[in-house]
Amino acid sequence: RKEVEQDPGPFNVPEGATVAFNCTYSNSASQSFFWYRQDCRKEPKLLMSVYSSGNEDGRFTAQLNRASQYISLLIRDSKLSDSATYLCVVIYTGGFKTIFGAGTRLFVKA
Amino acid sequence: DTGVSQDPRHKITKRGQNVTFRCDPISEHNRLYWYRQTLGQGPEFLTYFQNEAQLEKSRLLSDRFSAERPKGSFSTLEIQRTEQGDSAMYLCASTTGQGTDTQYFGPGTRLTVL
Repeated sequence: RKEVEQDPGPFNVPEGATVAFNCTYSNSASQSFFWYRQDCRKEPKLLMSVYSSGNEDGRFTAQLNRASQYISLLIRDSKLSDSATYLCVVIYTGGFKTIFGAGTRLFVKA
Repeated sequence: DTGVSQDPRHKITKRGQNVTFRCDPISEHNRLYWYRQTLGQGPEFLTYFQNEAQLEKSRLLSDRFSAERPKGSFSTLEIQRTEQGDSAMYLCASTTGQGTDTQYFGPGTRLTVL
């Protein structure tokens, strides 16, 4: 079993749609959680950190459930520019080993 | 440009050759990471440095791989006796080292082993 698993995708949605991505992690010692975005042939860039209380940044909402070892990302009112691969990221407690999920590809269509 | 830079951007080599990649982190970032990414996968952690100290290495980092950060600034990743399976994008990232803060990635070095 992979340490961080994501919905395989791809997700094909029309503009304006709401889409949700899920991610599970296996190591309960995980400390910090993030969502990164990666455009085709580009480097990953931080989208947002994920906190137990949940956090929102404009159209993006991230949630963390430590009991279930589950992270989610919700994108509302999808834009064409949201088309990218979304990477779930976990950092282990006590060190800084960083584990990326395989990513979920999103295509937003006009 | 004050972001993370990597050199070269592309490298084509023949199997069995040695290659070396360089990463220049954001100035004053004392933590530096190396990752490998293949098509359809997320970046795989290889190793990280806190200043010049290499603090953790993945088991993916076989004996043919070595990384250094001699003065706590730029870092190099060397692959000896390259194999076709080493073909991938090699990414470098840096952070300030304060807690688990944002990792800023460089554009990567794409390695093709023929």
